[in-house]
Amino acid sequence: SQQGEEDPQALSIQEGENATMNCSYKTSINNLQWYRQNSGRGLVHLILIRSNEREKHSGRLRVTLDTSKKSSSLLITASRAADTASYFCATVDQGAQKLVFGQGTRLTINP
Amino acid sequence: GAVVSQHPSRVICKSGTSVKIECRSLDFQATTMFWYRQFPKKSLMLMATSNEGSKATYEQGVEKDKFLINHASLTLSTLTVTSAHPEDSSFYICSASRQGGGNQPQHFGDGTRLSIL
Repeated sequence: SQQGEEDPQALSIQEGENATMNCSYKTSINNLQWYRQNSGRGLVHLILIRSNEREKHSGRLRVTLDTSKKSSSLLITASRAADTASYFCATVDQGAQKLVFGQGTRLTINP
Repeated sequence: GAVVSQHPSRVICKSGTSVKIECRSLDFQATTMFWYRQFPKKSLMLMATSNEGSKATYEQGVEKDKFLINHASLTLSTLTVTSAHPEDSSFYICSASRQGGGNQPQHFGDGTRLSIL
């Protein structure tokens, strides 16, 4: 089953601009993870943020988590053409191992 | 480099054929691996959790006899699509984490695109 919604479903921006994607979920989570998928490939892990964390950074990526609103956001700064991909959030419930994925956001960076 | 290897990457076969997909953890032992199915431009749907040395745990709605999972070693899980039909055509992906549990990121294989004619 799908955890929740990602917003927007598709996003197209110019190179150099920032991209923000949002994710909502419904359960009590242990952690939330963001993944990137290039077309026809597997997923690549980007960031894992635990339920007791509010913000995490990795290079040009910034992830926030608001457990009171059951939502997370992924910000990609200074976007590049190579950032074109689908981005998925996934949650792990308390006491569980499996990932439950959101619907994903298709990001297109125009040169 | 890749830490989870999935083979084959592409399979095209006739209806009624059984197809086996392998998922290997390359430099770590994985007591648990996961199998997903993905339709075009859609998200990943978990099919089953593969447990080394025991039966797989299937998600609701997934036919156990249709999608056979074997996890005979700590580095290999296989998914066999039995008597495949065109509706089984899809992108199948596996994943595993280095230390198990839910607090580690998953490493994904590159997926297998299955096309049943």
